[in-house]
Amino acid sequence: GENVEQHPSTLSVQEGDSAVIKCTYSDSASNYFPWYKQELGKRPQLIIDIRSNVGEKKDQRIAVTLNKTAKHFSLHITETQPEDSAVYFCAAIYDKIIFGKGTRLHILP
Amino acid sequence: NAGVTQTPKFQVLKTGQSMTLQCAQDMNHNSMYWYRQDPGMGLRLIYYSASEGTTDKGEVPNGYNVSRLNKREFSLRLESAAPSQTSVYFCASSVLSGGVNEQFFGPGTRLTVL
Repeated sequence: GENVEQHPSTLSVQEGDSAVIKCTYSDSASNYFPWYKQELGKRPQLIIDIRSNVGEKKDQRIAVTLNKTAKHFSLHITETQPEDSAVYFCAAIYDKIIFGKGTRLHILP
Repeated sequence: NAGVTQTPKFQVLKTGQSMTLQCAQDMNHNSMYWYRQDPGMGLRLIYYSASEGTTDKGEVPNGYNVSRLNKREFSLRLESAAPSQTSVYFCASSVLSGGVNEQFFGPGTRLTVL
């Protein structure tokens, strides 16, 4: 069945450094790829998304890239700050939505 | 706008008991979803409703039933709770527009089955 693999499961970076989280998907019909951030005890919230007709999208310190041929997409966070500490989920959507298992990002002081 | 609301916030059940989790949205969204979230497992889709009057199974539907009562409300029922159903349950709603399907999540229900 359809699957989304997300790596790494845990990531620790020094404050101010960059963080990259990668996802691969199996359903080539997937055409929408959102990223959600979930802080401890809170609900997931959309932080950025990309559609299949776009290769890259940027919003301030966060960016997402998509390689349709390789069926993978990545989240890039630059100049990381303490408030970036959270769990991040990728997802791939066609007629169904499949989430990755999440990456716990720790920003070290 | 309250967005997506869920009740209750917390619940403790004994094995074999039944309960219904309630979800409502005031954003006039067509689609609604129920997910469960377990540590290290991400969000797994239980059931979804693409529009009022329709429901479909997701990845992990066994042990659950749903009702799309109207466009606003989508409930999840556990007929005979099992310890394996201990989890955090999130309801979500979305509207498909221009190829974008942004999910808006409720605050979650933390369920413990003893």
